[in-house]
Amino acid sequence: GAGVSQTPSNKVTEKGKYVELRCDPISGHTALYWYRQSLGQGPEFLIYFQGTGAADDSGLPNDRFFAVRPEGSVSTLKIQRTERGDSAVYLCASSLTQASGGGKPNEQFFGPGTRLTVL
Amino acid sequence: LAKTTQPISMDSYEGQEVNITCSHNNIATNDYITWYQQFPSQGPRFIIQGYKTKVTNEVASLFIPADRKSSTLSLPRVSLSDTAVYYCLHIAGTYKYIFGTGTRLKVLA
Repeated sequence: GAGVSQTPSNKVTEKGKYVELRCDPISGHTALYWYRQSLGQGPEFLIYFQGTGAADDSGLPNDRFFAVRPEGSVSTLKIQRTERGDSAVYLCASSLTQASGGGKPNEQFFGPGTRLTVL
Repeated sequence: LAKTTQPISMDSYEGQEVNITCSHNNIATNDYITWYQQFPSQGPRFIIQGYKTKVTNEVASLFIPADRKSSTLSLPRVSLSDTAVYYCLHIAGTYKYIFGTGTRLKVLA
């Protein structure tokens, strides 16, 4: 079946502009995660949704970053007043649920990411 | 805070077995160890997950000793296409993945 998709694949914007990044998770997956990956680094957690609600947004760097998932499927990561330091690859992942019975974490399936460049 | 330590890079030759060891000294009782693989311009991809002793699937084995403070990913007979970055993740709490810098494996012909 279809995997996690993200659009756009590349986004170039100017400092101070507003951007939206979209994630389409695997159908039926209730858990959705956003990560940010800078060059040469591992992905950095931003926010986790269980259904429509943000269960953990502790990774969002500041209030310029916001994410929604209004119907429990598609999610949008929104960045206001972009800065050059926001340039990175933004990855989305989904899993069936957060964990299976007994607490075993469910596998997260990652999308290809959106490469954001802020000039 | 869950934190892992693994070698920054490794080289190997085609056909060899590759073992990548990760330390996770502050692992808690209910935490799992998961390994992911990432190719350039792609998102990470699940390889294997375990809790203790040995787990094997069609692509790799994962060895976790009794004290669970480390784990070893074993890739049998690597090929050029196994050149990638490998991440060891110690999954704790709310299951947000805390990635380290990973191990860059280069497979040589």
